[in-house]
Amino acid sequence: VTLLEQNPRWRLVPRGQAVNLRCILKNSQYPWMSWYQQDLQKQLQWLFTLRSPGDKEVKSLPGADYLATRVTDTELRLQVANMSQGRTLYCTCSAERQGASERLFFGHGTKLSVL
Amino acid sequence: GQQVQQSPASLVLQEGENAELQCNFSTSLNSMQWFYQRPGGSLVSLFYNPSGTKHSGRLTSTTVIKERRSSLHISSSQTTDSGTYLCALASSNTNKVVFGTGTRLQVLP
Repeated sequence: VTLLEQNPRWRLVPRGQAVNLRCILKNSQYPWMSWYQQDLQKQLQWLFTLRSPGDKEVKSLPGADYLATRVTDTELRLQVANMSQGRTLYCTCSAERQGASERLFFGHGTKLSVL
Repeated sequence: GQQVQQSPASLVLQEGENAELQCNFSTSLNSMQWFYQRPGGSLVSLFYNPSGTKHSGRLTSTTVIKERRSSLHISSSQTTDSGTYLCALASSNTNKVVFGTGTRLQVLP
């Protein structure tokens, strides 16, 4: 059973353009939603955990700037801007906050490539 | 430094051989998970194992907290086991999940 639906699955991003990603939670038993990035070397890194509608956070990492928003109880968004290197963004969900004793579930991911 | 180290970085096996993948961590542990990632695919949770030993088919996970290590044993490997195996640690200090660098496994027919 798929817990998370991510879209788009793949996007070619012209240099300098921003892209908006979406993640839909299919099971309310896992309300803690997060974004992770996986770089071209396959290293995974936590970006954000947002629990409540209206929560927003920004972060700048090497190769991209991020703005994450928890829109509703079931929708998480991520805007990726100033991307200079390709990466894959994964949405995750868990029953409790990261770091607590809870299993983590991943969406299919959105692969971003720079044009 | 890197909080979660995995070894080996890559491994090539003949079908039928066993594999032992290691995950060592330098911080106190709240939870440990092992994931499998098919080339080009998403991550699938194999084990949630903060301590002790768990079995699932041909896979066994053992976490020894006081030694700050976790292992994943694959017995009688198959070509479909090929992919990347990642361990992920949730630290009780930081409330964040940190992933290891992964072990890339290739099983040859």
